[in-house]
Amino acid sequence: GAGVSQSPRYKVAKRGQDVALRCDPISGHVSLFWYQQALGQGPEFLTYFQNEAQLDKSGLPSDRFFAERPEGSVSTLKIQRTQQEDSAVYLCASSITGPTEAFFGQGTRLTVV
Amino acid sequence: GENVEQHPSTLSVQEGDSAVIKCTYSDSASNYFPWYKQELGKGPQLIIDIRSNVGEKKDQRIAVTLNKTAKHFSLHITETQPEDSAVYFCAASTSGTYKYIFGTGTRLKVLA
Repeated sequence: GAGVSQSPRYKVAKRGQDVALRCDPISGHVSLFWYQQALGQGPEFLTYFQNEAQLDKSGLPSDRFFAERPEGSVSTLKIQRTQQEDSAVYLCASSITGPTEAFFGQGTRLTVV
Repeated sequence: GENVEQHPSTLSVQEGDSAVIKCTYSDSASNYFPWYKQELGKGPQLIIDIRSNVGEKKDQRIAVTLNKTAKHFSLHITETQPEDSAVYFCAASTSGTYKYIFGTGTRLKVLA
């Protein structure tokens, strides 16, 4: 596609609900990243995939967060038993390879009420 | 771990003037430094980047300089226009890792 596509754009979840956020990277991009951006802050790294392999998940804040990219293209970030502190914009980025020249999607704004 | 500091947090300039945003990083092994522009409700957009083997890079009205000794890099925007108004983020990446460490952002306002 022309750019990184994320869905949904907005998600409101009740506390305790599970959510799944989708990312469609740029076609042919090997590397895929998830970041979390709190209001008024810079993005913070969550996890990284190279093709289907999750090479770094050091930024996932708890075991309630899980990401997958089973076929090396589309990725899903899942958050179980959502809590208010999970409210943020979740950004997906992709690059041809590695951390250079990463292109970001528009993000999913998650609000936990 | 790596830490990136960014200044100023807000910057207002008159249309046509120049704007400079500065960042410092802590990890001397950092070797890639992108700059992103983020408009309200949108994802960060890559506007320019620089690698550690280069001291300066320019793309039309935008330039980035890197001082490896001081661990300092800056974004320069000349002849600012109202559409340059946005939040700008610097970031640093270290060889062998896969993450960007972002600065806290600079809200640039270009006054017409």
